[in-house]
Amino acid sequence: GAVVSQHPSRVICKSGTSVKIECRSLDFQATTMFWYRQFPKQSLMLMATSNEGSKATYEQGVEKDKFLINHASLTLSTLTVTSAHPEDSSFYICSARDRLRIGPETQYFGPGTRLLVL
Amino acid sequence: GENVEQHPSTLSVQEGDSAVIKCTYSDSASNYFPWYKQELGKGPQLIIDIRSNVGEKKDQRIAVTLNKTAKHFSLHITETQPEDSAVYFCAASMWGLTFGKGTHLIIQP
Repeated sequence: GAVVSQHPSRVICKSGTSVKIECRSLDFQATTMFWYRQFPKQSLMLMATSNEGSKATYEQGVEKDKFLINHASLTLSTLTVTSAHPEDSSFYICSARDRLRIGPETQYFGPGTRLLVL
Repeated sequence: GENVEQHPSTLSVQEGDSAVIKCTYSDSASNYFPWYKQELGKGPQLIIDIRSNVGEKKDQRIAVTLNKTAKHFSLHITETQPEDSAVYFCAASMWGLTFGKGTHLIIQP
């Protein structure tokens, strides 16, 4: 089946530093990837939609200058949290859409990245 | 935009009994309704889904029903087992996914 990986799985950083999270589709090509944030005991909230070769589309209330998204290839999207602060601590999950299949059901989720900002 | 309501937020059932989780959606244009299971510290895993042209779908102990007129859909798990304990999310979509708030399912031995 389709597999999406994320790296790192967990990261701890100091306040003010930047953190990069990678999302890879391992056995399929993804023209579209999605980044979600999940706070403890809450649902997944879509942050942005990442399209290969073009600018990401951010949801209302998500700062594009703080959460930099790059989707440079059909198998890799990165999310960089710039100048991270404790309130950015969360579980970040990506999903990828198989470009060879249409429809929303082709979204495959990664295992998530736990970010803790001290 | 789409709004998805999910109930209950917590559900505790005895092992072997059935569990039902219900969701409603607001956008009649939504045509795809997946259910995800999320274990602690992991990403969500698709367990079953249904399209708007189907009223019911079953996969072993799991079934999903959809009432388009009322704009609600439900997840049914029969013969629950300890490994069914997790948080379950419903979602509705026409193109992107809108998630419900989740249901913490607890299976008591």
